[in-house]
Amino acid sequence: DAGVIQSPRHEVTEMGQEVTLRCKPISGHNSLFWYRQTMMRGLELLIYFNNNVPIDDSGMPEDRFSAKMPNASFSTLKIQPSEPRDSAVYFCASSYNPGGSKPQHFGDGTRLSIL
Amino acid sequence: GENVEQHPSTLSVQEGDSAVIKCTYSDSASNYFPWYKQELGKRPQLIIDIRSNVGEKKDQRIAVTLNKTAKHFSLHITETQPEDSAVYFCAAWGGQNFVFGPGTRLSVLP
Repeated sequence: DAGVIQSPRHEVTEMGQEVTLRCKPISGHNSLFWYRQTMMRGLELLIYFNNNVPIDDSGMPEDRFSAKMPNASFSTLKIQPSEPRDSAVYFCASSYNPGGSKPQHFGDGTRLSIL
Repeated sequence: GENVEQHPSTLSVQEGDSAVIKCTYSDSASNYFPWYKQELGKRPQLIIDIRSNVGEKKDQRIAVTLNKTAKHFSLHITETQPEDSAVYFCAAWGGQNFVFGPGTRLSVLP
């Protein structure tokens, strides 16, 4: 099992640029979660999908953030325009139905730096 | 919504001693409580979990206890080893939201 795959592992860009983070969940998993981790705010759930449908996006900080899951094997988290305060490690995690009550498997994360 | 508190924020123990980390949650509807270990620069990894219909669960040197009435759950690590040094996160799932505690940095001193 390849595990949850995230890309890129590291991203450095200037403020105002669009950033796209990608995630491939474990095959057979039907729930996908996006998290943001910072020293100040800890590990925050941004959004989660069940069967490709967004269930709870209350953690998305503002309209600059958007997430999609066009199929069961791919999801993106986009920030447009990016700001320095978006710098963080972004994790994607997946689990098998029904999601909340099953263990989540995390990817290795994307370390994002906005200059 | 759910709110999860975790104590202590840092914990240092001598190798071989036990470590206990406690979490409280606010939503009585929460029914799933996992614990994750995160080593520096790495992803969180599940180490043990418990569901609301169970009071205690053990896996070798690790155990978790749940008190639904008081709405708190604890992680117990016995015979600690240097490789147990990491940040530990508790979490609670209430059906609509998954909330993590702020984490406990555990240092096991040789």
